[in-house]
Amino acid sequence: QVQLVESGGGVVQPGRSLRLSCAASGFTFSSYAMYWVRQAPGKGLEWVALISYDGSTKFYPDSVRGRFTISRDNSKNTLYLQMNSLRAEDTALYYCARREKTTSLWEIYFDSWGQGTLVTVSS
Amino acid sequence: QSVLTQPPSVSGAPGQRVTISCTGSSSNIGAGYDVHWYQQLPGTAPKLLIYSNSNRPSGVPDRFSGSKSGTSASLAITGPQAEDEAEYYCQSYDSSLSGVVFGGGTSLTVL
Repeated sequence: QVQLVESGGGVVQPGRSLRLSCAASGFTFSSYAMYWVRQAPGKGLEWVALISYDGSTKFYPDSVRGRFTISRDNSKNTLYLQMNSLRAEDTALYYCARREKTTSLWEIYFDSWGQGTLVTVSS
Repeated sequence: QSVLTQPPSVSGAPGQRVTISCTGSSSNIGAGYDVHWYQQLPGTAPKLLIYSNSNRPSGVPDRFSGSKSGTSASLAITGPQAEDEAEYYCQSYDSSLSGVVFGGGTSLTVL
């Protein structure tokens, strides 16, 4: 079955960097676009990065653009999120999520999620 | 402040029908983009509950249903069970923001 396992979270000081990983198994990883979605403690969901199936297209919301970089290694079935210049407001549980294949470019939803990895930005 | 607006909480007894609204605008739901719903049980990751407005993935009980009209969507739970106590999130696409947007979440309490 589909499995997504995040790792790399931890406590980091403001301004420092962290790299998250998401190991995928149980499906053809190279065929799916992938997202990182975060959830601040007690708050709702917010997408922070997306990458196309082949890594050629990447998008970010304004809140992280220029600081976060998404990448993937399809030979290793692994998704990454490089987070630089971290801020207190980046504190959250970070999930990787698989975008289901759809016929429409704008029909975007997530059919599989990892368990999340916690990032705490604090001095 | 979430782009999609949901009530913070709803409650209902088994045998009742509970609905959770998700209100958007002309740049997301009103523009025709589909609405999807997720269930997040305490301490777990979100799980896809309804996709493309009204479709249930395999394994989701048929007491869950979704609909969409105009700039809003709704999730209905007919006869909620104790195991349905969770946070529910709606999600769509927003053309002004060029990305997916989520509602703020609604907590369901089963009486």
